[in-house]
Amino acid sequence: GAVVSQHPSRVICKSGTSVKIECRSLDFQATTMFWYRQFPKQSLMLMATSNEGSKATYEQGVEKDKFLINHASLTLSTLTVTSAHPEDSSFYICSARPRGFSGANVLTFGAGSRLTVL
Amino acid sequence: DAKTTQPTSMDCAEGRAANLPCNHSTISGNEYVYWYRQIHSQGPQYIIHGLKNNETNEMASLIITEDRKSSTLILPHATLRDTAVYYCIVRVSILGGTSYGKLTFGQGTILTVHP
Repeated sequence: GAVVSQHPSRVICKSGTSVKIECRSLDFQATTMFWYRQFPKQSLMLMATSNEGSKATYEQGVEKDKFLINHASLTLSTLTVTSAHPEDSSFYICSARPRGFSGANVLTFGAGSRLTVL
Repeated sequence: DAKTTQPTSMDCAEGRAANLPCNHSTISGNEYVYWYRQIHSQGPQYIIHGLKNNETNEMASLIITEDRKSSTLILPHATLRDTAVYYCIVRVSILGGTSYGKLTFGQGTILTVHP
């Protein structure tokens, strides 16, 4: 089956530093990947849509200069949280829709990356 | 998107069927019902989806009422590993466009399967 891998699964960093999270589709190509964020005891919220070879599309209220998304290949999207602060501490999850699959909203999600900013 | 209403939490005994309801009374004719679940500290997992006919796969069954205003996800023999938050999502199924892949996760139903 389609597998999406995220790395790292956990990261702790100091305030003001930048953190990069990788999202890879292991056995399929994904022209589009989606980045979600989940704060403790809350539901998932879509942050941005990552498009291979072009700029990401951000949801309203998400700072594009703070959350840099790069989708350089059909199997890799990266999310960089720049100048991270404690309020950026969250669970970041990426997802992708395998090509050729019949359900338009059937997404495969990664296991998530838990960011803690001290 | 049609709004969905799910119970906050449910319990189920291991080995018994878990029936998770979802109300979506404002669903449009071209909107599908999707179910995902999220086990603690993991990413969501797709379970099943349907338009109007009942659907079954290796994980679950989806029963959609004739008027499509509600549906029920059935886990036929729940195990402890099925303890998770279950999300019912209603969306059109159109590739591309501005709504593609933008799943709106509500609060879901916390299903606890106990021994």
